[in-house]
Amino acid sequence: QQQVKQSPQSLIVQKGGIPIINCAYENTAFDYFPWYQQFPGKGPALLIAIRPDVSEKKEGRFTISFNKSAKQFSLHIMDSQPGDSATYFCAASKNTDKLIFGTGTRLQVFP
Amino acid sequence: SQTIHQWPATLVQPVGSPLSLECTVEGTSNPNLYWYRQAAGRGLQLLFYSVGIGQISSEVPQNLSASRPQDRQFILSSKKLLLSDSGFYLCAWGQGAVEKLFFGSGTQLSVL
Repeated sequence: QQQVKQSPQSLIVQKGGIPIINCAYENTAFDYFPWYQQFPGKGPALLIAIRPDVSEKKEGRFTISFNKSAKQFSLHIMDSQPGDSATYFCAASKNTDKLIFGTGTRLQVFP
Repeated sequence: SQTIHQWPATLVQPVGSPLSLECTVEGTSNPNLYWYRQAAGRGLQLLFYSVGIGQISSEVPQNLSASRPQDRQFILSSKKLLLSDSGFYLCAWGQGAVEKLFFGSGTQLSVL
């Protein structure tokens, strides 16, 4: 019940495409859902986060869509660029407890 | 501003040798500190976390241990490394009501 399931494992898109990464969770007590971005050889960095009181959050080209009833949330990257090529992790936590991370999605954006 | 330092960046160790990875945080006090491991093609596995000096919680039983001798220092150790200990080790810190984690740049450990 503590797991966060992430898909796909890898994703290849062309520049300008809209990659979508999906995550699903079981624990309805989760109340914080961040996405982290990791470039090769670096530590992950917080990209965007959402709480379950809203269904969508947008920051620049990055959007989180949240479906509370389905216990799913997804990351959309609009007008993707080669510089967006990275590994993306979803995560979840409850009551400020430690984060539970998904298994990661390696995104490659080709020119 | 807060910064996190983690070293070394890469490490190649023989099986059975000891390990010591160090992480320090600057610019904040009483942070929550974490050690994660990222195996090739896999996600972030939480190994240890600490909410204060001398307070260590272990998430995964293994031959690794962690210590927090000072408020902003977190050390990952092993007495005898195994091949399966190879991976990318990340230190992170967090603070406040929202668990936003700040990660170090990681240590790539290869056990041969």
